[in-house]
Amino acid sequence: QKEVEQNSGPLSVPEGAIASLNCTYSDRVSQSFFWYRQYSGKSPELIMSIYSNGDKEDGRFTAQLNKASQYVSLLIRDSQPSDSATYLCAVTGNQFYFGTGTSLTVIP
Amino acid sequence: DVKVTQSSRYLVKRTGEKVFLECVQDMDHENMFWYRQDPGLGLRLIYFSYDVKMKEKGDIPEGYSVSREKKERFSLILESASTNQTSMYLCASSLPGRGNEQFFGPGTRLTVL
Repeated sequence: QKEVEQNSGPLSVPEGAIASLNCTYSDRVSQSFFWYRQYSGKSPELIMSIYSNGDKEDGRFTAQLNKASQYVSLLIRDSQPSDSATYLCAVTGNQFYFGTGTSLTVIP
Repeated sequence: DVKVTQSSRYLVKRTGEKVFLECVQDMDHENMFWYRQDPGLGLRLIYFSYDVKMKEKGDIPEGYSVSREKKERFSLILESASTNQTSMYLCASSLPGRGNEQFFGPGTRLTVL
């Protein structure tokens, strides 16, 4: 079992819709959770971090963490074509673990 | 802002060559990391370092070595490049501890012919 699992997609949503990206992890002692955005041919860019159960909002982005169920999600409201990218989930336990990413396409 | 730079954006080398990939960060971060990224396989950790002169193997260290002589600089060395080392190489840095976010450089796209 992989440490971090993401649905590889591709996920397509129309412009203005809510995009929902999900991630599950296997290590119950994980403490820190991150979402990175990666445009094609570019390096990952940190967009959200979350450390405690519940929701954390930053502009159009909301990260949600449920440690009991071992999942973390990212909601993107009012999706824009510029949000089209691959989104990587990262979790820290004994080391930093990345998921393989979910490809998101926002259709104008 | 954290700035992580890598010596080349694109690099083409021949099989058997010794290849040096350089990474420099300007935020006084203790931790530095080297990953490679391949389609369908995601990010795979090659080596990391928590301090000067210190290095630890990641998940796929075979065929690679590293050097950290100064805090800000972390070098990845391919002793004898092979075609299966064609990949995107990403350097990252972070503050001390295992729970801190990593910041990435722009990446080096290496092609080994």
